[in-house]
Amino acid sequence: GAVVSQHPSWVICKSGTSVKIECRSLDFQATTMFWYRQFPKQSLMLMATSNEGSKATYEQGVEKDKFLINHASLTLSTLTVTSAHPEDSSFYICSATYPGLAFNSPLHFGNGTRLTVT
Amino acid sequence: QQQVKQSPQSLIVQKGGISIINCAYENTAFDYFPWYQQFPGKGPALLIAIRPDVSEKKEGRFTISFNKSAKQFSLHIMDSQPGDSATYFCAASKGTSGSRLTFGEGTQLTVNP
Repeated sequence: GAVVSQHPSWVICKSGTSVKIECRSLDFQATTMFWYRQFPKQSLMLMATSNEGSKATYEQGVEKDKFLINHASLTLSTLTVTSAHPEDSSFYICSATYPGLAFNSPLHFGNGTRLTVT
Repeated sequence: QQQVKQSPQSLIVQKGGISIINCAYENTAFDYFPWYQQFPGKGPALLIAIRPDVSEKKEGRFTISFNKSAKQFSLHIMDSQPGDSATYFCAASKGTSGSRLTFGEGTQLTVNP
């Protein structure tokens, strides 16, 4: 079935550095990808929606200059956390979709990236 | 974001029992209501979904009940098993199933053997 792969699955970085997270659709063309952030024991909060070849749409309160999203191809979207701080430590999850996604077909989620900023 | 409220926050059920999780939404434009299951350290996986033109949908041990007038929907897990222990999220969206989802707060389900 359709698979979304996220890399890395976990990353530790020092405060002030930048971290890039990749989201790939392995066997379908993802025209739209969503990026979520999830803090421990909390729900998924949508950060931004990215459409291939265009600028991402950010949710209210999400700093677009801090969370850079690039969706340069139909199979790859990247989220770069710039100048990371400890409060950016979280579980980041992407999902991918395409036109005509059938009602019973799942919105495909990656397995998430655990970011820890020290 | 439009809200989806979920309860209870946590639930403990004995093996073989019925687990019931409830959600309520505000936006009447929502027309797709999925339930997701998430294990620790993993992304959410779709369990079952419903559209508002039906009041109930069943897939195996999982059933969604939908009350359009009350703007509420619930997940019933029959014959709950320890392997069902996970966090469950309801969600809602407008338009196609691939649209942006608004998630509920989540329910931590523990099924005791």
